[in-house]
Amino acid sequence: DAKTTQPNSMESNEEEPVHLPCNHSTISGTDYIHWYRQLPSQGPEYVIHGLTSNVNNRMASLAIAEDRKSSTLILHRATLRDAAVYYCILRSNTGKLIFGQGTTLQVKP
Amino acid sequence: DVKVTQSSRYLVKRTGEKVFLECVQDMDHENMFWYRQDPGLGLRLIYFSYDVKMKEKGDIPEGYSVSREKKERFSLILESASTNQTSMYLCASSSFRGFGGYTFGSGTRLTVV
Repeated sequence: DAKTTQPNSMESNEEEPVHLPCNHSTISGTDYIHWYRQLPSQGPEYVIHGLTSNVNNRMASLAIAEDRKSSTLILHRATLRDAAVYYCILRSNTGKLIFGQGTTLQVKP
Repeated sequence: DVKVTQSSRYLVKRTGEKVFLECVQDMDHENMFWYRQDPGLGLRLIYFSYDVKMKEKGDIPEGYSVSREKKERFSLILESASTNQTSMYLCASSSFRGFGGYTFGSGTRLTVV
């Protein structure tokens, strides 16, 4: 299973955009890029996923590099409730999700 | 609202006991998964299942077994609980069809004493 690399932690100010990067240089052509977040004392929550094209939903946007070796999760206006651990994961044909350490996002008021 | 329900939020068991962790999903998902989460180690896959009566080992299956007799239910079994199995256990499900994302339960915090 291909792996991802994320910064351990990031900080943001409330109501400002946040760009969370992820590198996945060994991604294969059929791997989907998934993002999840985990709030304290809760299970991970699905955020967004994509294959090749950029994606938008009510929670976030996902920007995927043309060569697919990196992606960026964009939170357009961070709130205090967005403070969480964000996981970038590649989902292969096996259907398994292998989690890395993720990025701990701190949002300052 | 779609759900993955884990039977217990907190559980305390004694060393050597046989422990059952139950997970039920109401989304008719084919795939179900068990993870454990430990500080500094993140989420690690224990077992998963693609269909009823099917199971596959994940990255850390030792000391665990699973059962999937019905599509909606996936049980994790600790045959003889040990203190190093104290952890947060998370169940998830996903579909082959549709958006393919995982839905997680709230977790069971198991303490083995």
